Amino acid sequence: EAEVAQSPRYKITEKSQAVAFWCDPISGHATLYWYRQILGQGPELLVQFQDESVVDDSQLPKDRFSAERLKGVDSTLKIQPAELGDSAMYLCASSYLPQGNEQFFGPGTRLTVL
Amino acid sequence: QKEVEQNSGPLSVPEGAIASLNCTYSDRGSQSFFWYRQYSGKSPELIMFIYSNGDKEDGRFTAQLNKASQYVSLLIRDSQPSDSATYLCAVNDYKLSFGAGTTVTVRA
Repeated sequence: EAEVAQSPRYKITEKSQAVAFWCDPISGHATLYWYRQILGQGPELLVQFQDESVVDDSQLPKDRFSAERLKGVDSTLKIQPAELGDSAMYLCASSYLPQGNEQFFGPGTRLTVL
Repeated sequence: QKEVEQNSGPLSVPEGAIASLNCTYSDRGSQSFFWYRQYSGKSPELIMFIYSNGDKEDGRFTAQLNKASQYVSLLIRDSQPSDSATYLCAVNDYKLSFGAGTTVTVRA
């Protein structure tokens, strides 16, 4: 069964360090999403790609976060420098159609910033 | 600001009972509605989606949508201990907005 792949599964870093997360969507899914989920809350969209183009990054803290999907397939989300408040689960999802229909999530990356 | 509200929980039900989860949303233009199940420490898993008013059944799960009341619900019949999880309601206009989730515990 096709799945969204993410790595690493867990990341512990110290504040002010740089971290990067990788995501490979389900084959054929043109739309890719990065979410952040703080414990006890629902996922919050950080950035949405359609192929290699960003279609929504309105909630991405652009002073420290960046995201790219250069070839329109896999994607990287980077945080530099990490802050204590960035500790959360970072989820990647993909969908066949845009407009968010039927999104499928990867296993996530649990980030702890010390 | 789109808002999605879910009953706060936690919801504890005995095995074999019906668990009823509720969700309201603020954006009348929302077109599609999703229920995700999330086990502790895991990622959300899509279990149901509904686009039209009325009921949609899939196995032990029934989603109900009332767009006039801006209300969507999920019923879990014959609840099993494996149903113990957090259930996230998500509402889509041009992007998904999630509620905070309702945690369900099924007592054996």
